[in-house]
Amino acid sequence: DAGVIQSPRHEVTEMGQEVTLRCKPISGHDYLFWYRQTMMRGLELLIYFNNNVPIDDSGMPEDRFSAKMPNASFSTLKIQPSEPRDSAVYFCASSLALAPAYNEQFFGPGTRLTVL
Amino acid sequence: DAKTTQPPSMDCAEGRAANLPCNHSTISGNEYVYWYRQIHSQGPQYIIHGLKNNETNEMASLIITEDRKSSTLILPHATLRDTAVYYCIVSGNQFYFGTGTSLTVIP
Repeated sequence: DAGVIQSPRHEVTEMGQEVTLRCKPISGHDYLFWYRQTMMRGLELLIYFNNNVPIDDSGMPEDRFSAKMPNASFSTLKIQPSEPRDSAVYFCASSLALAPAYNEQFFGPGTRLTVL
Repeated sequence: DAKTTQPPSMDCAEGRAANLPCNHSTISGNEYVYWYRQIHSQGPQYIIHGLKNNETNEMASLIITEDRKSSTLILPHATLRDTAVYYCIVSGNQFYFGTGTSLTVIP
């Protein structure tokens, strides 16, 4: 398996524009996670899905952020409109299970977003 | 989920064992201790996890104290490629990564 795939790897956009980040999880993994990493706040969980259904979106910072998982092999994280404070590295991760004993998450390479 | 405390930074000489400590005094009975590392600009990478017994794999060893309030990740022969931020996480159902320990392996 190629691992978790994210695109684009780098995104530079202007404030107010819509940004869409994409993720392909590892085949067979039932859980998909979106994280954001900044110097100030570290690595934060934004939302996670189980079998394509959003389970916990309490980490989504505000209504400008939305995430979807239309099928088991694809998820998007959308920011509309984008703001400079959204600049960060966004990671997607997937795992087989969520039980404490089987919570090994596999991370993608991340998307570095810069909002000017 | 219980929180963890790690030293912000450590150095280790190349070829020596790196021992990274973690305190998790509020860990509950069903929570596991997970270790991940993040090499600069890459996504976090799983290393090892355990409940109460010591664990070893091809990457590292995990020593958990009997009262489970602390643990130590051991990289037996550190190399320059082990320079990374190491996160100790106590896992119920979700992960809280914290700030980790920045390990620098010195030639």
